[in-house]
Amino acid sequence: DAGITQSPRHKVTETGTPVTLRCHQTENHRYMYWYRQDPGHGLRLIHYSYGVKDTDKGEVSDGYSVSRSKTEDFLLTLESATSSQTSVYFCAISEDSGRGFFGPGTRLTVL
Amino acid sequence: DQQVKQNSPSLSVQEGRISILNCDYTNSMFDYFLWYKKYPAEGPTFLISISSIKDKNEDGRFTVFLNKSAKHLSLHIVPSQPGDSAVYFCAASVGSGGSNYKLTFGKGTLLTVNP
Repeated sequence: DAGITQSPRHKVTETGTPVTLRCHQTENHRYMYWYRQDPGHGLRLIHYSYGVKDTDKGEVSDGYSVSRSKTEDFLLTLESATSSQTSVYFCAISEDSGRGFFGPGTRLTVL
Repeated sequence: DQQVKQNSPSLSVQEGRISILNCDYTNSMFDYFLWYKKYPAEGPTFLISISSIKDKNEDGRFTVFLNKSAKHLSLHIVPSQPGDSAVYFCAASVGSGGSNYKLTFGKGTLLTVNP
């Protein structure tokens, strides 16, 4: 398995609170991504990163911010969580060859 | 507007038979296609991919066919095994380099292989 972990794996929070999800890799891959999976939507790209401090928006970026201060860590922040952000969040990493891997996911519930 | 479509939410087949999962896309810029398998409570796992310069790619029991003119691809699993039971996602991207793991996914098809 690729060296990619996500924390926490499960979280329940209340509407309006900030939440940060962490993706950590030990593969030294340059590219990192955050996706969310919802019933009836498949996976949708939230944000991605081309390298340290180099990030960009994906398809569903509203309400989310990201940071990447180290190669190995990519943080996803929900600045003020809403019930519509209840979802399963997946981090992915990829290398220049195009080969990529997904993390195990974080299940987030916003009450 | 959905750019990658998997019109069958579910498929049930008998063990040993062929499973055929279908995927259609609308964006002509897509030139790299991937199939993922996903078990509950796990991340998607890469199965097989195909570039638009090919019309077929094979890896063991898995074969992906691409029909560019129809904007259609299919995944064939032969023979199907009970362990293949999972949700299968079709995904597409523009380019196949590392920076292009910006994937557009279909909604997935739940495959059930009955013993």
